[in-house]
Amino acid sequence: LAKTTQPISMDSYEGQEVNITCSHNNIATNDYITWYQQFPSQGPRFIIQGYKTKVTNEVASLFIPADRKSSTLSLPRVSLSDTAVYYCLVGRMDSNYQLIWGAGTKLIIKP
Amino acid sequence: NAGVTQTPKFRVLKTGQSMTLLCAQDMNHEYMYWYRQDPGMGLRLIHYSVGEGTTAKGEVPDGYNVSRLKKQNFLLGLESAAPSQTSVYFCASRESLAGDHYEQYFGPGTRLTVT
Repeated sequence: LAKTTQPISMDSYEGQEVNITCSHNNIATNDYITWYQQFPSQGPRFIIQGYKTKVTNEVASLFIPADRKSSTLSLPRVSLSDTAVYYCLVGRMDSNYQLIWGAGTKLIIKP
Repeated sequence: NAGVTQTPKFRVLKTGQSMTLLCAQDMNHEYMYWYRQDPGMGLRLIHYSVGEGTTAKGEVPDGYNVSRLKKQNFLLGLESAAPSQTSVYFCASRESLAGDHYEQYFGPGTRLTVT
């Protein structure tokens, strides 16, 4: 099971673009990369998932280089409500689906 | 559509007592999971199930048992609670055929304190 490394914390300001990079040097061929968001006293919420290149949805983009040893979550034009912990996970998406959750990145958005 | 619900929301146990946490989902999902989250840490998988009547161990299964008698319910049991089991417990579920992505849906959590 691949482990991930991400910054413990980050600060930014409202309206800015925020990029959080995750390192996963031991990612396996069948592993997908997934990002979740967690607010205090709530369960995590899915943000985005990808296997390679770039994935974009209505809330974020995920950039994955060709070697897949890292990935970057991009949040455009953040607001105060984006203050949360963001988790990067890698894992196989099959019946033995298990994910290793690191400590995540605590993102604080300032006015 | 309530999604994933957990009962109770809070519980205080004395060392050695037993209890069962209930997770219910109304999305007809095949896969269900129990995690624990300790302060400042990520989630750790306790047990999971890939379908009704099946269970499997996760990363930290010791001291816990689970059952999946009905597809919509996943029960987590503590037979003899210990202070080390003080934590927030999250249940999650997901579909088996995911379409373009695999997403786990989480419940609101149960905060358990063992004294």
